[in-house]
Amino acid sequence: AQRVTQPEKLLSVFKGAPVELKCNYSYSGSPELFWYVQYSRQRLQLLLRHISRESIKGFTADLNKGETSFHLKKPFAQEEDSAMYYCALSVTTDSWGKFQFGAGTQVVVTP
Amino acid sequence: KAGVTQTPRYLIKTRGQQVTLSCSPISGHRSVSWYQQTPGQGLQFLFEYFSETQRNKGNFPGRFSGRQFSNSRSEMNVSTLELGDSALYLCASSLLADLYNEQFFGPGTRLTVL
Repeated sequence: AQRVTQPEKLLSVFKGAPVELKCNYSYSGSPELFWYVQYSRQRLQLLLRHISRESIKGFTADLNKGETSFHLKKPFAQEEDSAMYYCALSVTTDSWGKFQFGAGTQVVVTP
Repeated sequence: KAGVTQTPRYLIKTRGQQVTLSCSPISGHRSVSWYQQTPGQGLQFLFEYFSETQRNKGNFPGRFSGRQFSNSRSEMNVSTLELGDSALYLCASSLLADLYNEQFFGPGTRLTVL
């Protein structure tokens, strides 16, 4: 069975400092990886996905198949980055997609 | 385009009762998934429906059930409520149900079991 691990429950960083959220997965096939974010009093929403290879709000994530990781990085944290971040994995089972989320990492950016 | 809507937004029930939650997906979306969100367990997958068929199910007891209607609207039912069922129940819809589909989340229904 697939599994997503986010080892840090809470990450506290200073504004302007780099931030890295760790995500490791276990799955024998080729999954698709996502990062979702939930800002205070807002809905959970997609931040970025591996297939798009894009940078959103200054965040990037690189899939490392050797280490089975999909860490999220931003070189200079901003106060508006304070939120809950979830790493998610999507796999195909009989040609259908199935989602699984990690436990989440709360990011607090202090001025 | 209107987002995913969930009703009711808040619900208070007592142990042993049953509850039905409703989710209306974004127009045109055929896949609806349900999640339970709690501070201790995070986001846990309940089940997913596509074209009125349950295709995936998480590790929840049989007290949790759902269905999807022909217009893609979905309902989730919890029977014989327990205190531990208190949680935020999130519904998410996606256009299809393949590997890459973005899920769009609703605001959730906050269920409190007394």
